[in-house]
Amino acid sequence: EVQLVESGGGLVQPGGSLRLSCAASGFTFRSYEMNWVRQAPGKGLEWVSYIDGSGSTIYYADSVKGRFTISRDNAKNSLYLLMNSLRAEDTALYYCTRDEANLFDSWGQGTLVTVSS
Amino acid sequence: DIQMTQSPSTLSASVGDRVTITCRASQSISSWLAWYQQKPGKAPKLLIYKASSLKSGVPSRFSGSGSGTEFTLTISSLQPDDFATYYCQQYNSLWTFGQGTKVEIK
Repeated sequence: EVQLVESGGGLVQPGGSLRLSCAASGFTFRSYEMNWVRQAPGKGLEWVSYIDGSGSTIYYADSVKGRFTISRDNAKNSLYLLMNSLRAEDTALYYCTRDEANLFDSWGQGTLVTVSS
Repeated sequence: DIQMTQSPSTLSASVGDRVTITCRASQSISSWLAWYQQKPGKAPKLLIYKASSLKSGVPSRFSGSGSGTEFTLTISSLQPDDFATYYCQQYNSLWTFGQGTKVEIK
């Protein structure tokens, strides 16, 4: 069974940093592209970032470009999102998703990031 | 960037109703359109991909149609488990979600 478990969320001040992690199991992690998707409280879904299986191809949404860094450790079956220069508008539930042919076919339960002073 | 616009934002319906949700893309995305269902407090689930292909295990009362810039999700006979929020998503050029359509009990 595919499992994705996010962690690392919490309360951070504006301008601060946070590193999210996603532990994957139940599939051959290195063979799959992965994404981060976020959802602000009471709002819709927003794609954040993509990484291919080797980590060599990466994309970001314009809203986070230059501030967020996606990475992965295939030996640890883990996906990461380093978030710098956080803003109030980054407050959201952050989901880790598995990418199958550009479709988000499996999702974690999410980790909540709150940016507030 | 490709923008996705769903309508309506909220839909009130009864069990057994036929329900249709529309999604429009700001430019042609061929058939690279997916639909997701999200229930409160839960992660989204993929229902339909490539505009009209049903994901394995999804009830056949769900169907999708369209191509280019206009797409629809239809639930032929609404069931109690279907009250949720539905999102369209383009994957022709990176990924963009629609703003969501909440299907609520009438």
